[in-house]
Amino acid sequence: EDQVTQSPEALRLQEGESSSLNCSYTVSGLRGLFWYRQDPGKGPEFLFTLYSAGEEKEKERLKATLTKKESFLHITAPKPEDSATYLCAVDEGTDKLIFGTGTRLQVFP
Amino acid sequence: NAGVTQTPKFQVLKTGQSMTLQCAQDMNHEYMSWYRQDPGMGLRLIHYSVGAGITDQGEVPNGYNVSRSTTEDFPLRLLSAAPSQTSVYFCASSRVGNQPQHFGDGTRLSIL
Repeated sequence: EDQVTQSPEALRLQEGESSSLNCSYTVSGLRGLFWYRQDPGKGPEFLFTLYSAGEEKEKERLKATLTKKESFLHITAPKPEDSATYLCAVDEGTDKLIFGTGTRLQVFP
Repeated sequence: NAGVTQTPKFQVLKTGQSMTLQCAQDMNHEYMSWYRQDPGMGLRLIHYSVGAGITDQGEVPNGYNVSRSTTEDFPLRLLSAAPSQTSVYFCASSRVGNQPQHFGDGTRLSIL
C-alpha cells in the first residue's frame, strides 16, 4: 500500500534553533512531492514542489530536499511566525495526492 | 483575486439530513478536488475532477456525491449525513493534476 509518513508528529524549537522535518514515502512511481504549510483554521498553503532525487528548493528560512525514498524540510534559524503544521504530499501519477499526517511545529521566542 | 471559495464556513446537521458544500474557483483551473481532514489522519481525498463533466472517486468516496457542470464549480453533496462525516472539508484546485493545488479555507461540519 502506498504510504506517506511524516516525522516527528510535533516539534518544539527555540527561536534560532535549526532543525529538519522528514517525509518518507513508499509509492511505485513518484511524479512529484509537495510541501504545504497549514495555519490553524486555514487551508494548506503551497510551499514547494520537488520532482526528482537530488532536487532542492529554498524559500526564506525553508529548504526542501528530495531523495529516492524521502524528503526533508530544513528550517534554518526559525522564528515564531514559522509555527504551523507542515504537510507533505506525494503524486504517484494517478491525479490523486497522498498526504502525510503532518508535523506540528512550534517555535518559541 | 478570490482563489478557491468554500461555503458555508460552518454547518451543523442532524443525522440523516442532506446538504451541499459549495466550492468555486476563479483561476480557470481544470483540476478540482475535495478532501476531508480528521485529527491524526491527515487529508484524505474524497472525489476529484480533471475537467468539466469528468469526476472520479478518491480514497473515501462513500456517502458523498459530486458533479462538475462548469469549470468554476465543484459542489460536494452529502446524501444522508452520519456522525462519522463530522470533519473539516477542504476544496482545492490546480491547473492540471500534477501541479500545486490551491486550497480553500474549509467547511467545518458537525453531524449530531
